[in-house]
Amino acid sequence: DVVLTQSPATLSVTPGERISLSCRASESVDTYLHWYQQKPNESPRLLIKYASQSISGIPSRFSGSGSGTDFTLSINGVELEDLSIYYCQQGNSLPFTFGSGTKLEIK
Amino acid sequence: EVQLQESGPGLVKPSQSLSLTCSVTGYSITSNYWGWIRKFPGNKMEWMGYISYSGSTSYNPSLKSRISITRDTSKNQFFLQLNSVTTEDTATYYCARSTPFAYWGQGTLVTVSS
Repeated sequence: DVVLTQSPATLSVTPGERISLSCRASESVDTYLHWYQQKPNESPRLLIKYASQSISGIPSRFSGSGSGTDFTLSINGVELEDLSIYYCQQGNSLPFTFGSGTKLEIK
Repeated sequence: EVQLQESGPGLVKPSQSLSLTCSVTGYSITSNYWGWIRKFPGNKMEWMGYISYSGSTSYNPSLKSRISITRDTSKNQFFLQLNSVTTEDTATYYCARSTPFAYWGQGTLVTVSS
């Protein structure tokens, strides 16, 4: 199975900051890497697909980059509503796998 | 608009079977892939398996022979059955359109306890 390692596990942020979340794969997943946001008591929401493709309705402050084994989710100007857990997921090979998540907290 | 909704018992006894239904509106399950994902206490997410537009299935090997995903195209529903559950199967279960998972159900908490 492809293991996805997300770092950091927790990130304390100040509103307005630009931040980057990392996701590393144990083997190449090409660009079959997707990012999700999950707020408490809600279902996950797809933020970025295929490493860098934007999703309709998602604020433009969210962006993704990377290919192969190293990926980054960036938030340009964190807002209070962004406090959530962020997961990466690979769809390159079965079984599909998720990272362990990065939790965004207010500093 | 594509909508998914899970339904089923919220409490299952150890060694019994867990059965959930996912009802889909706004899109036919005879197109695309439809999967089950669960989130454990502590936030770990696990993909369990999917059923395809043709009815073929793929399962996470971690679930070995305990899992079965089936469908009823006349009702636009697909189903999860997980056999021989233990307390470690306690989780919130989601159905979703695969992959990437752009559409999710609201999730249903299933507790395995005697």
